[in-house]
Amino acid sequence: QSALTQPASVSGSPGQSITISCTGSSSDIGSNNAVSWYQQQHPGKAPKFIIYEVNKRPSGVSYRFSGSKSGNTAFLTIYGLQAEDEADYYCCGHAGPLHWVFGGGTKVTVL
Amino acid sequence: EVQLVESGGGLVQPGGSLRLSCAASGFTFSDYNMNWVRQAPGKGLEWVSFINSRSDVIFYAESVKGRFIVSRDNAWSSLSLQLTSLRDEDSAVYYCAREDTSSSPFSLWGQGTMVTVSS
Repeated sequence: QSALTQPASVSGSPGQSITISCTGSSSDIGSNNAVSWYQQQHPGKAPKFIIYEVNKRPSGVSYRFSGSKSGNTAFLTIYGLQAEDEADYYCCGHAGPLHWVFGGGTKVTVL
Repeated sequence: EVQLVESGGGLVQPGGSLRLSCAASGFTFSDYNMNWVRQAPGKGLEWVSFINSRSDVIFYAESVKGRFIVSRDNAWSSLSLQLTSLRDEDSAVYYCAREDTSSSPFSLWGQGTMVTVSS
């Protein structure tokens, strides 16, 4: 099972909105709503859980983070980009017998 | 405080073994399924293993199947991962993570423990 496909990097200026895509297949992203997203501020530091079930935010996560899905592709949109949003972002999907599969990660840079 | 704390990482030679532990506190450990996730240096996240709350459902990634064994002790609120036949490519930070629901598989993470496989 290959990792889900994410762009290596996305950048934006403070206040702008950016969208990160996460492309899978009909066996994972396209087959259920068990899509989640994680923010990792520094490699080797524990990731933070920011989106689950495609578009739900855990308690305490900023409303500026929004998730969506279309077919085999999931999306994470960050509205009103802030310097503190600079981090690596990973999507995750449920891959049946292989259980969970992550995207390769997207580095978000705030210009 | 709700937290997960991993331990047991270190330097091991190829072919060697290591046992990682994850201590849970601040919540009822026996109510939750648990996962192990790893991250090789400079690389992305990779799911490694899943164990349900009663230890009767266990899954492994293909890359570790037959070499790693996950287990838990609900009485001690502890999760373990036995690593055997270690390879260079197993070098990574290993995280334990709590699954809140089937759609939120990694809702709480530990700080990670580093495993380095090298001769």
